[in-house]
Amino acid sequence: RKEVEQDPGPFNVPEGATVAFNCTYSNSASQSFFWYRQDCRKEPKLLMSVYSSGNEDGRFTAQLNRASQYISLLIRDSKLSDSATYLCVVTPPGNTPLVFGKGTRLSVIA
Amino acid sequence: DGGITQSPKYLFRKEGQNVTLSCEQNLNHDAMYWYRQDPGQGLRLIYYSQIVNDFQKGDIAEGYSVSREKKESFPLTVTSAQKNPTAFYLCASGLAGGLDEQFFGPGTRLTVL
Repeated sequence: RKEVEQDPGPFNVPEGATVAFNCTYSNSASQSFFWYRQDCRKEPKLLMSVYSSGNEDGRFTAQLNRASQYISLLIRDSKLSDSATYLCVVTPPGNTPLVFGKGTRLSVIA
Repeated sequence: DGGITQSPKYLFRKEGQNVTLSCEQNLNHDAMYWYRQDPGQGLRLIYYSQIVNDFQKGDIAEGYSVSREKKESFPLTVTSAQKNPTAFYLCASGLAGGLDEQFFGPGTRLTVL
């Protein structure tokens, strides 16, 4: 089983739609969780951290479910500018680097 | 401005030549990382360093070498032993311990002709 798994998509949604991505992780002792956004041919940028209590930032909501070992990202009222690849990132236990998922591609269509 | 810089943005080299990619950060981060990304693929870790004068191999270290003589700098050399060096190379930095987010440079797109 891969450490971090994401549906690669693409998710093609109309403007204004609500879309959700899930990401599963294999190591139950993972400690920190993040969502990054990567635009085409650009570097990944931190979108938001994912806390045990959940995290909301404007139209974006992230949730963590430790029992089922998944994190989610919900985007409400999608904008054309939300089109990007969304990377799920997990910190394994111990002093080891972050593990990146391969990403989920989102296309928001006018 | 604080951040991570990578140079050059685009690099072309002939097959068989070694090439060094630059990565500098002024965020006072102890940890630095090198990733490779191929078209339509995820990030793969090449090397990382959590402190000056120390570094560890990542998942795909063969054909690459690094040094960490200064906290601010973590250059990556792509050697002629790397079979498929054409890729997008990303440098990142973060706080030591690995629990916190990483910040990425703009990347170097290497093409070997």
